[in-house]
Amino acid sequence: GAVVSQHPSRVICKSGTSVKIECRSLDFQATTMFWYRQFPKQSLMLMATSNEGSKATYEQGVEKDKFLINHASLTLSTLTVTSAHPEDSSFYICSARVRQFSYEQYFGPGTRLTVT
Amino acid sequence: AQKVTQAQTEISVVEKEDVTLDCVYETRDTTYYLFWYKQPPSGELVFLIRRNSFDEQNEISGRYSWNFQKSTSSFNFTITASQVVDSAVYFCALSEGLIYNQGGKLIFGQGTELSVKP
Repeated sequence: GAVVSQHPSRVICKSGTSVKIECRSLDFQATTMFWYRQFPKQSLMLMATSNEGSKATYEQGVEKDKFLINHASLTLSTLTVTSAHPEDSSFYICSARVRQFSYEQYFGPGTRLTVT
Repeated sequence: AQKVTQAQTEISVVEKEDVTLDCVYETRDTTYYLFWYKQPPSGELVFLIRRNSFDEQNEISGRYSWNFQKSTSSFNFTITASQVVDSAVYFCALSEGLIYNQGGKLIFGQGTELSVKP
């Protein structure tokens, strides 16, 4: 089956620094990737939809200048948390859609971000 | 509005008991997909099933079974003879059809934490 990887799996950073998380589709090309955030004991909340070669579409309430998304190729999307604060500590999960107009999505293993 | 409700926040059962996880959804669309995912303590989501709105047949996969009823907008998940390894958080999710959702994004329920004790 389709495999999606995320790097790093865990990261601890100091408040005020920026952190980049990578999401890669390993054996398929993903025209669309999604970024979710999950706080402890809560559900997954969609942050943004990322289409290759175009600007990401952010969900209401998500600051696009704080969560920078780049989808430069069909196999890689990156999420950069800029000027991170402790309240940004969360579990970030990406998913990739196999092809346009498909309902099949494959999830990455997630990245646990802790901001101290 | 599109919404997924999993009213059971936590369920605790003893091994070998049967357990049903409830999922109720709201959608404006006649074409949609429903999903169940398992999230073990490691955090990685495990896909369990996808169902489209035109297929109301119940499905069984080993100890897992799903009951889809459009009349009540429900898509319930039953584990028979539960095992300790079934302990996890289970999420129900909805993806509306392409008329409203060309991006294919998923709306997740709040999740049900299942604890199976030996």
